[in-house]
Amino acid sequence: DSGVTQTPKHLITATGQRVTLRCSPRSGDLSVYWYQQSLDQGLQFLIQYYNGEERAKGNILERFSAQQFPDLHSELNLSSLELGDSALYFCASSVGQLGATNEKLFFGSGTQLSVL
Amino acid sequence: GENVEQHPSTLSVQEGDSAVIKCTYSDSASNYFPWYKQELGKGPQLIIDIRSNVGEKKDQRIAVTLNKTAKHFSLHITETQPEDSAVYFCAASRNTGFQKLVFGTGTRLLVSP
Repeated sequence: DSGVTQTPKHLITATGQRVTLRCSPRSGDLSVYWYQQSLDQGLQFLIQYYNGEERAKGNILERFSAQQFPDLHSELNLSSLELGDSALYFCASSVGQLGATNEKLFFGSGTQLSVL
Repeated sequence: GENVEQHPSTLSVQEGDSAVIKCTYSDSASNYFPWYKQELGKGPQLIIDIRSNVGEKKDQRIAVTLNKTAKHFSLHITETQPEDSAVYFCAASRNTGFQKLVFGTGTRLLVSP
């Protein structure tokens, strides 16, 4: 168990809908990262938050947004869902915002999103 | 930006054999190289990582080697066991943040009893 908690494990919804994915980082970790994993694109970095503030953006669509709350949990909001958004969404956490020596990145077990 | 290529995409071995997965990277400034194991229905689990100030690192049956000149690194698993069956991902980044971590496309390892 990595200590990163994601809910729900599975989510089935229809096109055009909006969903929220939740992540609790490991105790003591201030950085949260969101990744999308699909068969054709592999693991793609979406966005990073550090101590409540957005720090980096990757290949995140404008229909997607995220936030990190004062208790450090994070939510990824996906709206106007399309069939192509079906994927595994992972949250990961680390202590700091930079990959300093001895820092490591730990992943949660993911949310499987199916858009029908 | 960084590009990571991983081979092979699938690897089948008999229990007790060794398995080797290779990755190449493009950014000569990359200096952090982790390996993740992903079992079915689970998230990627960090199994070993290496930084560019060392050429090899071992942890029990798992070892990683790094050749900075050739820009490639490899994962070696000895005495494979059926529970080693999973998808393995390599990754590379500069030491400037995990948001820059670029993953390989994965290797599906199947260890047959």
